Amino acid sequence: LAKTTQPISMDSYEGQEVNITCSHNNIATNDYITWYQQFPSQGPRFIIQGYKTKVTNEVASLFIPADRKSSTLSLPRVSLSDTAVYYCLVGENQAGTALIFGKGTTLSVSS
Amino acid sequence: EPEVTQTPSHQVTQMGQEVILRCVPISNHLYFYWYRQILGQKVEFLVSFYNNEISEKSEIFDDQFSVERPDGSNFTLKIRSTKLEDSAMYFCASRTSGGNEQFFGPGTRLTVL
Repeated sequence: LAKTTQPISMDSYEGQEVNITCSHNNIATNDYITWYQQFPSQGPRFIIQGYKTKVTNEVASLFIPADRKSSTLSLPRVSLSDTAVYYCLVGENQAGTALIFGKGTTLSVSS
Repeated sequence: EPEVTQTPSHQVTQMGQEVILRCVPISNHLYFYWYRQILGQKVEFLVSFYNNEISEKSEIFDDQFSVERPDGSNFTLKIRSTKLEDSAMYFCASRTSGGNEQFFGPGTRLTVL
């Protein structure tokens, strides 16, 4: 399993764009990059997944350079409700595969 | 929007007692999972389940743990003889075969005294 490294914490203000970078130097050819969000006392929630280049959905964008050794989750114009822990996961996109969570990045958004 | 549900939301038990945590996965999902999260720590995988069999389990999932899909809707996690260190949030998740995300339930907070 590819090991991931992401900042322990980040601070931001409402309305700003937040970029959280994850390093995964040992990513394998079949691995996808997936981000989950977790609010206190709730289960993790899928945000976005990508394999290469850029993926965008209604919540976030995911930027993956050509070497795929890192990825950046971009949250446009954050609000107080985006305060949460964000997890970067790397692994095969197979239905039976366990998700292996790291410690994640705690994002704190202030007004 | 369909969601994974879990009961109870909070369970308090005495050390050595058996507990059963219940989950109702999303109805057309075929893959089921249990995770736990000790307070202040990361989410840890316990077990995955497909076609009425365990697909994968972690080192945490020892003989004290078992899972079952007793009917077409419920998915349960049983801890046979609880220990203090079993105190944690337990999350159930489910997934379709073709999708790319696991859908997590709200969790059951287990407190072992």
